[in-house]
Amino acid sequence: EDKVVQSPLSLVVHEGDTVTLNCSYEVTNFRSLLWYKQEKKAPTFLFMLTSSGIEKKSGRLSSILDKKELSSILNITATQTGDSAIYLCAVEGNTGNQFYFGTGTSLTVIP
Amino acid sequence: EAQVTQNPRYLITVTGKKLTVTCSQNMNHEYMSWYRQDPGLGLRQIYYSMNVEVTDKGDVPEGYKVSRKEKRNFPLILESPSPNQTSLYFCASSLTGWRNQPQHFGDGTRLSIL
Repeated sequence: EDKVVQSPLSLVVHEGDTVTLNCSYEVTNFRSLLWYKQEKKAPTFLFMLTSSGIEKKSGRLSSILDKKELSSILNITATQTGDSAIYLCAVEGNTGNQFYFGTGTSLTVIP
Repeated sequence: EAQVTQNPRYLITVTGKKLTVTCSQNMNHEYMSWYRQDPGLGLRQIYYSMNVEVTDKGDVPEGYKVSRKEKRNFPLILESPSPNQTSLYFCASSLTGWRNQPQHFGDGTRLSIL
């Protein structure tokens, strides 16, 4: 059965801390792994990682794909209260048209 | 503004009364998809569509129908809603259904079936 597992489920940190969120997957015919940020409403796209692009960085956020370990991490450095959100990991697999999401990691950054 | 629009945003209804949640995108995207989000279960794909008149089941299609008669619209139909379909629903679209395309999400529809 295809599945995506994220850890931890929930995290509370102080502003300025660095956090690492984990995503592991077992998905048939892996195509890509995507990270999304979900605040109050719709998930918004952060990164896409594929076999040809295993590392992405944007400002304080960065992500790495480890195809051997079937996992990915999302790093956020110098966290701010605006980073508080649920972070979702999704894997595109199978025929390339199906997406499997993890349950998300809830991050709370306190001043 | 490029967006995915869902309606209604909130709906409370009763068991067995047919309902439709509409989804429309203005980005000329080929791929559209419906998800439901439940606590502890994350987002689960209900149905997806690669293009007009092409739809396929996702992980949890039971109790739902979809149609794709036009490129921009992808309505989700609950013919006979039941309480276990109470959930937060998201519609999403991407340029194509092939690899390496991030999805854009609507703001969600919260359905409560009593």
